[in-house]
Amino acid sequence: RKEVEQDPGPFNVPEGATVAFNCTYSNSASQSFFWYRQDCRKEPKLLMSVYSSGNEDGRFTAQLNRASQYISLLIRDSKLSDSATYLCVVPSGTGGSYIPTFGRGTSLIVHP
Amino acid sequence: NAGVTQTPKFRILKIGQSMTLQCAQDMNHNYMYWYRQDPGMGLKLIYYSVGAGITDKGEVPNGYNVSRSTTEDFPLRLELAAPSQTSVYFCASSHGTALSYEQYFGPGTRLTVT
Repeated sequence: RKEVEQDPGPFNVPEGATVAFNCTYSNSASQSFFWYRQDCRKEPKLLMSVYSSGNEDGRFTAQLNRASQYISLLIRDSKLSDSATYLCVVPSGTGGSYIPTFGRGTSLIVHP
Repeated sequence: NAGVTQTPKFRILKIGQSMTLQCAQDMNHNYMYWYRQDPGMGLKLIYYSVGAGITDKGEVPNGYNVSRSTTEDFPLRLELAAPSQTSVYFCASSHGTALSYEQYFGPGTRLTVT
């Protein structure tokens, strides 16, 4: 299994839809997880952090399933402006030194 | 705060040329990183640094070199450029601890080697 795997999509959904992405990881010792958003030809920016079972921020919910080693990102009431690539990041390391591993990203297209 | 800055924004190199990509951050972060991103792919770690004077290889270090003489600066050197190094290069920084791990990225350098 690759360290961090994501379905590249694209996920093509209408405005107002609910969409969910999964990200699987191989390092069972990982303690923290992140979702970044990357717009076309731009740098990634942090969307959400997940340190325990989950996190919610407005229309966005991130959940962690340690037993199955995956994290998910749920977007409710999709907006046109949500169109982007969503990158899953799993830091790994020991002794307080954490090196991030990025998934290849999941592309979301929200259409009118 | 300017955050993370990168120069140049764009560059075209001929095969065999060398260049240095500049990266600077003003957030007093200990950790700095260099990534490359090929079209349709995720970010791959080239080199990283946990503090001034300390650097280490990432997933794809061949063909690159780095130095970290100050906390603020983390330049990436390409020697003998090859077409396979055509990519977008992102520099990032973070505090680097498990609970303060947000990475801040620069705007990227788009490099073409022909």
